[in-house]
Amino acid sequence: GAGVSQSPSNKVTEKGKDVELRCDPISGHTALYWYRQSLGQGLEFLIYFQGNSAPDKSGLPSDRFSAERTGGSVSTLTIQRTQQEDSAVYLCASSYGSNEQFFGPGTRLTVL
Amino acid sequence: QQPVQSPQAVILREGEDAVINCSSSKALYSVHWYRQKHGEAPVFLMILLKGGEQKGHDKISASFNEKKQQSSLYLTASQLSYSGTYFCGTERNSGGYQKVTFGIGTKLQVIP
Repeated sequence: GAGVSQSPSNKVTEKGKDVELRCDPISGHTALYWYRQSLGQGLEFLIYFQGNSAPDKSGLPSDRFSAERTGGSVSTLTIQRTQQEDSAVYLCASSYGSNEQFFGPGTRLTVL
Repeated sequence: QQPVQSPQAVILREGEDAVINCSSSKALYSVHWYRQKHGEAPVFLMILLKGGEQKGHDKISASFNEKKQQSSLYLTASQLSYSGTYFCGTERNSGGYQKVTFGIGTKLQVIP
């Protein structure tokens, strides 16, 4: 079956615009994570969905960031009023329970 | 809480061995190891579970000391292909599925 997919692969936007990043996890995976990775840096945790539990939003850096996961499958990360410091690669990963995480290829966001 | 990895960076010559350490201040249920090559998404290496045995494949193995809340990744007879950033992820021993939290990573470079 297919792995985790993300779209778009690249997104260039102007400061102040809103963006939506999409993640299609592996079918049947209960957990979904969003991470942010700046150049040469580590994996910055953003948000975690696990089954029907309330999402863990403790990593979202500001109220401009939000995410939802519809029907326990597809997830969308929304960044409102983008700032230049939001420029990074956004990675999505899914897993069954807390087993091996499968990462998507990422979305490279550039805010001009 | 984010696990602590050490060293932050290491340079090896082909054939040399390395150890990467990961420690947590909380009781752990599992430790995950991933490797990320430049420009790529992280890839799963192995999971070590509480009460489980040391794991490994090829010349990469890992151990998990539950009492000390520590894990170590052992790379023996390193190859050029081992270069990348290694992340440990920890799952707390709190019952049910828990979020896996990653350390900041250890950058490993293997040179000829």
